[in-house]
Amino acid sequence: AQSVTQLGSHVSVSEGALVLLRCNYSSSVPPYLFWYVQYPNQGLQLLLKYTTGATLVKGINGFEAEFKKSETSFHLTKPSAHMSDAAEYFCAVSESGAGGTSYGKLTFGQGTILTVHP
Amino acid sequence: NAGVTQTPKFRILKIGQSMTLQCAQDMNHNYMYWYRQDPGMGLKLIYYSVGAGITDKGEVPNGYNVSRSTTEDFPLRLELAAPSQTSVYFCASTSTGTEAFFGQGTRLTVV
Repeated sequence: AQSVTQLGSHVSVSEGALVLLRCNYSSSVPPYLFWYVQYPNQGLQLLLKYTTGATLVKGINGFEAEFKKSETSFHLTKPSAHMSDAAEYFCAVSESGAGGTSYGKLTFGQGTILTVHP
Repeated sequence: NAGVTQTPKFRILKIGQSMTLQCAQDMNHNYMYWYRQDPGMGLKLIYYSVGAGITDKGEVPNGYNVSRSTTEDFPLRLELAAPSQTSVYFCASTSTGTEAFFGQGTRLTVV
C-alpha cells in the first residue's frame, strides 16, 4: 500500500520569499511522484512529475522538486513566491508502470494551502 | 481542446435521491478515474476503469456505481444519496499513468 504525508496543512510566506512544501511518501515499489496545484473552484493541474532519470525535476511557474529515495521525500520549492502562487498543493504517488497493477491510480496527500502575503 | 468534461458543475440532492455524474474525455485515454475531495482529506479514489467494459473499485466505492460502455464516457452513479456523499467529485483520465488530466469537478450537496 502507498501513502503520502504532506507536512503542514497551511503554509504562509511573503511575496518574494522561498516556498517550501514538504511531502513524504511510502511505496513498496519504485514510485511515480507528482505535485498538483488547485486554484479555487478549479480542477487539479499538474505542476511537475518524477518518473525516472534525473531526480531534480522542474515544473511550470518556476517550481521544482527533488526526489530523495533515501529520505522518501519529494519536497516542492520555488525560490521567490508570487501572489499568483496562492493555491492548494497536492503531492501524489502512484506505482511505476501503468501497464502493471497500478493502472495509474493516484494516492494523494491531504493538501497544503499556500498563502502569499504582500 | 475540451480534455475532461464533467457535468453538472453543481447539484443539490435530497437524502435518498439518485443521480448520475457525467464524465467525458476526448483524448482517447484508456484509463479513467473518479475521485472525491473532502476538506483536509486530499482526494480519494472511488472507482477506476482501464478500458471500455472494465471497471474496478478504489478506496471508497460504497454507495457508488460506474459503467464504461465507451472509451470516452465514464459516468458515476449515486444511489440513495446520503449526507456523507456531500463532496467535490473529480473525474480524471490518462493514457500512460504518468500524467492524469482532471475535469473541473462537480460540487454535490446532499441535504
